[in-house]
Amino acid sequence: AQSVTQLDSQVPVFEEAPVELRCNYSSSVSVYLFWYVQYPNQGLQLLLKYLSGSTLVKGINGFEAEFNKSQTSFHLRKPSVHISDTAEYFCAVTKTGGTSYGKLTFGQGTILTVHP
Amino acid sequence: EAGVAQSPRYKIIEKRQSVAFWCNPISGHATLYWYQQILGQGPKLLIQFQNNGVVDDSQLPKDRFSAERLKGVDSTLKIQPAKLEDSAVYLCASRPLDIAKNIQYFGAGTRLSVL
Repeated sequence: AQSVTQLDSQVPVFEEAPVELRCNYSSSVSVYLFWYVQYPNQGLQLLLKYLSGSTLVKGINGFEAEFNKSQTSFHLRKPSVHISDTAEYFCAVTKTGGTSYGKLTFGQGTILTVHP
Repeated sequence: EAGVAQSPRYKIIEKRQSVAFWCNPISGHATLYWYQQILGQGPKLLIQFQNNGVVDDSQLPKDRFSAERLKGVDSTLKIQPAKLEDSAVYLCASRPLDIAKNIQYFGAGTRLSVL
């Protein structure tokens, strides 16, 4: 079974500052990794994904994440945040194959609050 | 292209009542998921369909929850009877069959309050 731990439940930051949201995962098999964002009263929107290839993945809205297999981490970063980035962010994993392929296991979420 | 449609957006019921949620996935998406998101937690998979067949319902509380996708398109999730702990947002997601496009698209969800 897979599990995901998001190390910070809340991250406050000032506008234009850099931010890192941390995600560690545990799995006995190969996984794909994802970051989703959820704005208030909305569904989840994909920010970026790691399936294979370069370990540095770029996504929408200026976000990027780095897959570190040895540390089983997939931290999300943005060099300069905006007020509009205020939302909840979820890290998720899925097996690369087998039964229940595509089933996402989510972390608990990190609430990012950007202050002016 | 149209996104995943869910209705209703909000529902308030009393415990022991029944409730049903509806989901219409993106056209052509073979795989459909129902997730339960309790406040302060990440979404948890309840059931996964591929076309009209169940792939995984291991975390569905089958004594009270049921789901169907009869024609392999839209789906309904039912709770009967509801308990207080069922208060949550119920998210529907769909994914195309092509495994190279391993992205799930989520609807806006149905927020259920059980009083």
